[in-house]
Amino acid sequence: NAGVTQTPKFRVLKTGQSMTLLCAQDMNHEYMYWYRQDPGMGLRLIHYSVGEGTTAKGEVPDGYNVSRLKKQNFLLGLESAAPSQTSVYFCASSFIAQGAGINTQYFGPGTRLTVL
Amino acid sequence: DAKTTQPPSMDCAEGRAANLPCNHSTISGNEYVYWYRQIHSQGPQYIIHGLKNNETNEMASLIITEDRKSSTLILPHATLRDTAVYYCIAPNTGTASKLTFGTGTRLQVTL
Repeated sequence: NAGVTQTPKFRVLKTGQSMTLLCAQDMNHEYMYWYRQDPGMGLRLIHYSVGEGTTAKGEVPDGYNVSRLKKQNFLLGLESAAPSQTSVYFCASSFIAQGAGINTQYFGPGTRLTVL
Repeated sequence: DAKTTQPPSMDCAEGRAANLPCNHSTISGNEYVYWYRQIHSQGPQYIIHGLKNNETNEMASLIITEDRKSSTLILPHATLRDTAVYYCIAPNTGTASKLTFGTGTRLQVTL
């Protein structure tokens, strides 16, 4: 049981390049999330998904797109990378349960992205 | 989400109990209190959550005051590996609840 995995671990892009970050979970969770964390700051939600085929905007969605074609995968795309998108990106997943279960999120190890 | 307030930093000697406070005076009746931690450069890790009653698991204990306006996370025997940033969160329980991570408390465990 690998939990939440992220690919790649590190990446350097030039301004204007595109890339896709992959998040995979093997816990059969319905909900998945993408966050970014800038140095010295807390995590901010970019996009999230409540199930296969659905996505929704979070706190800082501009410049990113997402897709959830399979329940276990959640992709984050940068169409035209900008230096302001230099950050650490974390994916998380959670299950639907009675009461508070929905907020028990499990995080991946992160992807460190630098845009030059 | 209820606003939470935590001290920016704390120190604890290894082997001693670490008591991390959190104020959430605006919490509503159906909002749980969650604690996560983030060890340097790693993804956040769920620790524990509670509503009214005190809770304990293999990682920590959570003490919630009777009026629910504050709580304390207790690491009973802190080790160097517990050095991390600890986040107290009181999210609005609804569909696709989103965690709002503030700046948390940076706990430094020392020899």
